[in-house]
Amino acid sequence: QVQLVESGGGLVKPGGSLRLSCAASGFIFRDHFMGWIRQAPGKGLEWISYISSSTIHTNYADSVKGRFTISRDNANNSLYLQMNSLRADDTAVYYCARESGETARGCVDVWGKGITVTVAS
Amino acid sequence: SYVLTQSPSVSVAPGQTATITCGGNRIESKSVHWYQQRPGQAPVVVVYDDRDRPSGIPDRFSGSNSGNTATLTISRVEAGDEADYYCQVWDGGSDQVVFGGGTKLTVL
Repeated sequence: QVQLVESGGGLVKPGGSLRLSCAASGFIFRDHFMGWIRQAPGKGLEWISYISSSTIHTNYADSVKGRFTISRDNANNSLYLQMNSLRADDTAVYYCARESGETARGCVDVWGKGITVTVAS
Repeated sequence: SYVLTQSPSVSVAPGQTATITCGGNRIESKSVHWYQQRPGQAPVVVVYDDRDRPSGIPDRFSGSNSGNTATLTISRVEAGDEADYYCQVWDGGSDQVVFGGGTKLTVL
C-alpha cells in the first residue's frame, strides 16, 4: 500500500545537525512533489519545504531557509531533509508528505507517521 | 507572507452542525484544503480544492470558499469528529504552502 516511513530523528544539541530520511513505497515516487511538515509540541502544523518531482524546484519556510536542505533520490524512492544549525524551536514531530498531483498545489494526500526531533542540551 | 486565520476552538453537540472558518486576504482566489488531525495521529485531508472530498470521507464534510473566508462544515456531528482541523493553501506569490493555526472541534 501507499506508505511513507520517516527515520533519522532523535535528540541533538543546539547548533548540531541531523538528517531525516523518508522511504516511499506503493506509488510512483518520481511523479509527485514531496515535502516536509512539522508540528511543535502542542502547536499547529508548519510547512517546512517542498521539492518538485524532477528536483528542479525547491522552497523553504522562512524559519528554516539557509539552515535546512531538502533533496530526493528518485531511483531509490527516498526523500531527505538535512537540518543544520538546529535550535530549540526546531523541536517537533516532522512529517514526510506527498502532494497529490491531482489537485491544486499543496494538497497532501499521504502523510508519514512522523518522527520526533528534539533539540536540547 | 500570506496568513490564514482560524478560531482556536469550536464546540457543538452531537447531531448538530459545526462550522469552522479560515480567513485570508482574497482567499477565494486560492484553492483551500482542509485536514483533520486526531490526537497522536497524522493529519488526513477531508476536503480539497475548496469543496471536493477524497474517497472515504463522509458527505457530512463539505467546504466552501468566498471572499475572504473559506468554510468547513461538518453536518450531523459525531463524537468521532472531535479533532483539530487545519486549513491550508498554496501561496503562489511566495511559492510557499501556508497552514492556518488550527481549530479544535469539541463534541459536547
